Amino acid sequence: ETGVTQSPTHLIKTRGQQVTLRCSSQSGHNTVSWYQQALGQGPQFIFQYYREEENGRGNFPPRFSGLQFPNYSSELNVNALELDDSALYLCASSLGGPTNERFFGPGTRLTVL
Amino acid sequence: RKEVEQDPGPFNVPEGATVAFNCTYSNSASQSFFWYRQDCRKEPKLLMSVYSSGNEDGRFTAQLNRASQYISLLIRDSKLSDSATYLCVVIPSGSARQLTFGSGTQLTVLP
Repeated sequence: ETGVTQSPTHLIKTRGQQVTLRCSSQSGHNTVSWYQQALGQGPQFIFQYYREEENGRGNFPPRFSGLQFPNYSSELNVNALELDDSALYLCASSLGGPTNERFFGPGTRLTVL
Repeated sequence: RKEVEQDPGPFNVPEGATVAFNCTYSNSASQSFFWYRQDCRKEPKLLMSVYSSGNEDGRFTAQLNRASQYISLLIRDSKLSDSATYLCVVIPSGSARQLTFGSGTQLTVLP
């Protein structure tokens, strides 16, 4: 176990709805990053938070937004859901720094109908 | 062109076989390189880092060729438990130093 937890484990939504996914980082880790993994693909970087500030963003539209809290847990919010948003959403925590190992949570599987 | 490209596979090999995976990356300023393993419907887990000098961890050997922007993973004496998807991962230059994944190569080791 990595010590990184995510909730919920599975979620079904319909197009146009909004969703919030949650991640609790490993104790002491101050950096959380979020990834989207479509079926048959590698994870794609969405954004990263370091000490409550977003410090990097991938090629995702603004309807993907996030937060990091003082305890370093994090949320990913997706508005106006589209069918293509169906994927496994992974969060990873780390201590920051260029090569520090990222520890992934088990993911949230989102299905958009 | 994708930032990280891998053999898509699938690779189906018998137990005891040696199998090699290849990966190329497009950003010559990339800083760090890894192989991750992902079991079906599970999260990715770090298998090993990859260094220019090459590195070995038991049955696994990883190599990096910066001039060719090429990364490899060699698995010797394959076990049934090696069946998984192997993801080539690069950290490009930049402040976030996010992980950039290839699409993965699926390996099935057959009895």
